[in-house]
Formats: sequence, C-alpha cells, structure tokens
Amino acid sequence: KAGVTQTPRYLIKTRGQQVTLSCSPISGHRSVSWYQQTPGQGLQFLFEYFSETQRNKGNFPGRFSGRQFSNSRSEMNVSTLELGDSALYLCASSRSGQGIMDGYTFGSGTRLTVV
Amino acid sequence: GESVGLHLPTLSVQEGDNSIINCAYSNSASDYFIWYKQESGKGPQFIIDIRSNMDKRQGQRVTVLLNKTVKHLSLQIAATQPGDSAVYFCAEITGSYIPTFGRGTSLIVHP
Repeated sequence: KAGVTQTPRYLIKTRGQQVTLSCSPISGHRSVSWYQQTPGQGLQFLFEYFSETQRNKGNFPGRFSGRQFSNSRSEMNVSTLELGDSALYLCASSRSGQGIMDGYTFGSGTRLTVV
Repeated sequence: GESVGLHLPTLSVQEGDNSIINCAYSNSASDYFIWYKQESGKGPQFIIDIRSNMDKRQGQRVTVLLNKTVKHLSLQIAATQPGDSAVYFCAEITGSYIPTFGRGTSLIVHP
C-alpha cells in the first residue's frame, strides 16, 4: 500500500513569505499529526487532526496553522516566515483518533529553508 | 517542563558489535515508550515499544529495557549491521497521547 506522501520534498522561501505543505495519509487513515524537526529541538509537535477537526495543538505561534479535508489529506500553513522556521516538517498518519497509540506512519518530510 | 533526553549524541561501533542507545525521561506519569529509527532523507520508522508495566521487551535483534526507578530507557541492537546506521530516538507518551521525543543519537556502524 502507498505510504504517507508529503509534498513538496524541498522548498526555499524568503523571510516574510507564507508556505503551504501537504500531507496525504495512508488510505483508510483518518488522523494526521504534524511535527517540526530541527537539530537543536528534535521533533516538536505542531498539531493533530482527526476527521477534519483539530484535536490537539502544540506550543507554536499562531503563524502555524493547519487543516484537514474530508478525504483526510492535510495541509499546514506557515505565514510570515522567519529564518527559525527552517526545518524538516514531518507528518504522521494513524488509523483512528488515538494518534500514536494506533501506530504512526511518518512521511519523508518537507525540507523548508527560509532565506 | 519535563522532557526526554539522550545521553550520547553519537555512537560509533564496529559491524557485529552490540549497540546500546540510552534515553532518560523525567515524566514519571509516562506510561508508553517507543523507539524510532530515522535514516537520512526518510521519516522516523517504528522499531519497538514498551509499556510502563514491563521491564523488557524483545524484537528481532532489538531489545528495549525500561528502568522506572531511575527513569531510564535503553535500546540494545544485537550484531549491529551497516544498515543500522541511522539516528535513533525515543518517545514518551502520557495520557494525552501526544508524544515527547528526544533529540536523537546518531549510530554509525563501521564495516
């Protein structure tokens, strides 16, 4: 079966711009979680969506937002980009609303570089 | 706040050796732990998990040990192979189901 697909794989943006990242979960999976991964902080939880509803949100500023569509695909948006937003953004899908307890399948991530 | 950390940022071993990767956690309420492997250019991949009511769990060539007294978690890889080279990190989960991840240890296996 197809894995978790994240697009694009690489992205370069300028400070002040906004960006939208996409995540298509495994077919049948209804939960999508987003993480930011940096060398200094490791994996930091951004938010979790289940059945088009945001269930949990991490400690990130309001510039970070997301949504989930009826087909379970999810997008995250970062507005007014800062240099510190440069990171690998990972999404993980799981079958039901128990997130990681169901077992995460991670995508390969989107590498965002802000210049 | 409480967090998960790792003792060694880099571990170099020879092929065939056993590897031990350590993780300290500080939230005594954590009741579920997972080890992940992340290869270059890929997302994290589940290796093995353990619940707080267990001390040890074994998988294929991997063993996870949990010491709740000192809040310590370790991953043992037997007969380490070059394909095991990756970053390994642990995650602790509490009742909210939101994991806290450690920063990771880079395992380098020399042939």
